[in-house]
Amino acid sequence: QKEVEQNSGPLSVPEGAIASLNCTYSDRGSQSFFWYRQYSGKSPELIMSIYSNGDKEDGRFTAQLNKASQYVSLLIRDSQPSDSATYLCAVHNNNDMRFGAGTRLTVKP
Amino acid sequence: SQTIHQWPATLVQPVGSPLSLECTVEGTSNPNLYWYRQAAGRGLQLLFYSVGIGQISSEVPQNLSASRPQDRQFILSSKKLLLSDSGFYLCAWDGGGIGELFFGEGSRLTVL
Repeated sequence: QKEVEQNSGPLSVPEGAIASLNCTYSDRGSQSFFWYRQYSGKSPELIMSIYSNGDKEDGRFTAQLNKASQYVSLLIRDSQPSDSATYLCAVHNNNDMRFGAGTRLTVKP
Repeated sequence: SQTIHQWPATLVQPVGSPLSLECTVEGTSNPNLYWYRQAAGRGLQLLFYSVGIGQISSEVPQNLSASRPQDRQFILSSKKLLLSDSGFYLCAWDGGGIGELFFGEGSRLTVL
């Protein structure tokens, strides 16, 4: 069974703080890793992708991947109330795309 | 640019009734297409994916089926809905074949 695990939260951080979201996966053959943001009642939208070990930065977002530990994370710097959403970790292997249950993030003004 | 559309957006159906959800993609050819279901407060469950016309891979459901009659059309169906089929159904296409999914607006199904 291919699984993607996330802490369900809720994770609450004050405005301007760093939010740290974590994800582990079971399929060692996984090749691509993604973070999606989902606002309540809406469909998910892709915010970050990472394919190799290390860090990838895009604006206030940094994705981190450690394939040996089967671990991927997302850091959100200078968190804003508009970042309040559920963040879904997704893992891809050969047309098979699996999602975690998501972590609900609340950024308090 | 590429776009993906789903319909209907919302539907309420009685138990035992049939279902048909449709998804179309514009601006690309031979996309990998996916159907997911999200129960209330839960993650995304992969239902079906398709790499081409008539090619469907099924993950979980017993009473749901999918078809891909045209390159950019993906249909989710059921002959008899169950209460447990309620949820938010999402169609997605893979932008580059590497897992970067772009989702439609979703179809919210309530089975009573």
